[in-house]
Amino acid sequence: QKEVEQNSGPLSVPEGAIASLNCTYSDRGSQSFFWYRQYSGKSPELIMSIYSNGDKEDGRFTAQLNKASQYVSLLIRDSQPSDSATYLCAVNIGRGGSQGNLIFGKGTKLSVKP
Amino acid sequence: GAVVSQHPSWVICKSGTSVKIECRSLDFQATTMFWYRQFPKQSLMLMATSNEGSKATYEQGVEKDKFLINHASLTLSTLTVTSAHPEDSSFYICSAATSTLQETQYFGPGTRLLVL
Repeated sequence: QKEVEQNSGPLSVPEGAIASLNCTYSDRGSQSFFWYRQYSGKSPELIMSIYSNGDKEDGRFTAQLNKASQYVSLLIRDSQPSDSATYLCAVNIGRGGSQGNLIFGKGTKLSVKP
Repeated sequence: GAVVSQHPSWVICKSGTSVKIECRSLDFQATTMFWYRQFPKQSLMLMATSNEGSKATYEQGVEKDKFLINHASLTLSTLTVTSAHPEDSSFYICSAATSTLQETQYFGPGTRLLVL
């Protein structure tokens, strides 16, 4: 069974610090990886996508992918209280011809303290 | 870009009634739409995948006769919860994807269903 694992947290960091969120996945054939942010009571919002090994930066966010280790992470620099949310790691398993099937981790709850 | 809407945002209904939820991609044509369900403090669980003009593919354990999905156009998919019961109360979220957006899934705002 294909799985995506995340530490449920809560991960607590002070305002201005770097928050590091980690995710591992079981399907070695996975090609696309996504980080979504979900505020309480809201639907997920796409933050980053990453497809190749290495780092991808977008503003305060950096996604890191290591396919050999089956590991993907999200770094949030200069964390703000508004970053407090649950962060979902999602992996595209490309099942049955559809390229859009995602497997979600259970999410890591991040709390940024002022 | 890549905006997905859902309607209604919340609904309260009596047990035994049917509820229809609409999911629309507003600024792109979605070749694939997905329906998820999320119970409190749990992760998203995929219910079904639908491609425009064809029957939906349901995940194991999801009753296709209870959760009717119609994907009649490239911008609209509907989920009908038939004969709803209190255990169907949940947060239902759709997402849409298209090859022109590298199959990234964009989520609608969700529909909160409460069955009394």
